[in-house]
Formats: sequence, structure tokens, C-alpha cells
Amino acid sequence: GAGVSQSPSNKVTEKGKDVELRCDPISGHTALYWYRQRLGQGLEFLIYFQGNSAPDKSGLPSDRFSAERTGESVSTLTIQRTQQEDSAVYLCASSGRDSNYGYTFGSGTRLTVV
Amino acid sequence: AQSVAQPEDQVNVAEGNPLTVKCTYSVSGNPYLFWYVQYPNRGLQFLLKYITGDNLVKGSYGFEAEFNKSQTSFHLKKPSALVSDSALYFCAVRPGSARQLTFGSGTQLTVLP
Repeated sequence: GAGVSQSPSNKVTEKGKDVELRCDPISGHTALYWYRQRLGQGLEFLIYFQGNSAPDKSGLPSDRFSAERTGESVSTLTIQRTQQEDSAVYLCASSGRDSNYGYTFGSGTRLTVV
Repeated sequence: AQSVAQPEDQVNVAEGNPLTVKCTYSVSGNPYLFWYVQYPNRGLQFLLKYITGDNLVKGSYGFEAEFNKSQTSFHLKKPSALVSDSALYFCAVRPGSARQLTFGSGTQLTVLP
């Protein structure tokens, strides 16, 4: 597609429920990144996929968080047993083979845990 | 590990005046430096980058940034601010050996009419 697409744009869930967030990167972009942005704070790296290589999961805050990506296509970020501190905007970005040109970000999913 | 500091949470400037948004970084090896802008309820948009070459980098919307290796800084500048420049600005860095970016905490720029 023309840009990075994320869905849903907004999600309200009850504490303890599982949620799935979806990211559709730019076609042909080999790298895909998930970041979390809490209210009034900077971006916190979560996970990075590069082609068919093993993902860099070093930023995932707990084992309740997981992400998958099939090849160079859609990625899903799953949060199990959501907690109120998970409330944030979850941003996805993708980049081409040459990441010197930076990332292209999606508009994000605003997650609210009540 | 790399890090980015944006020492000002908020910058206010009058329309037509020059603006500066500060950024300092720490990274091993040669840094790749970026500025992004975030408008309300929208994703981050790429403004400009420094990879190598001239220390003064020009980007979108009339913004520029100067790479200063001795001061490990990459301040964002614009000669004449517009009200429409009001947004949240993020500085980011990665070492040449890595792919993921480390972001600063952001600076809210408000341009007053």
C-alpha cells in the first residue's frame, strides 16, 4: 500500500482481556518495528522484524507481549491479560532495505485499558 | 547503548522568529541522526537525517539541522517559524551497525501568532 496501515485506530478493552493490534507495512519494506508511546512520553522500542531473520524482541516489557510477522507482510502485536499500564499508543513503522532513509510510521493504535 | 536527550519539554516561539529545538546524543561509532515531527492524532513524519557529509542538513518544510560531533548535538532549526509548525518533535539516533532507532522524549513546539 501507499503507507503503513494500522488497525484498529482505537481500542478500549477491559483489564485482563487479550488484544491484537495489526500493522500492514509498505509493500516491499523488509523491516518492521513496533514502538509504544505512553502519554507525554517518548517512543519506547518493543520489537523489530527483518525479513525472515529471528526478530529482535529485546524491548518487549513482559511475557504478556508477543508479536508475529509472516515473511515481509502483516504483523500482529498481541498483549495478553492487559493491565492499565498497557494503555498507550502503539506505533508501527517499516523501512526498506536501506534504513538510512528512516522509517515510515503508521498512525498508531490508541489502546485504553479500563 | 545509545541514548538521546531532548532537554526541553516545551519550546515557545513567536511566529516569524527563528526556532531551535535541541538534541544531544550518545552512541558508539558514527551516528545516524534523524528528526521526526508528530502532529496531533497522527503518526510520526520524517523531517530530515544526517548520515555523512555536510554537517548542515536541510529537510522538509524549511527545517534544517546541524550535526556537531564535538558537542554530540543535532539541533533542529528554522529561520522563520510558522504557526503551522506547532507540533511534537522527536530526535532519534542509531549507530551504523544497528537498524532500530532510539528516540528522545520529544519537545512540544508552540508557535504563537
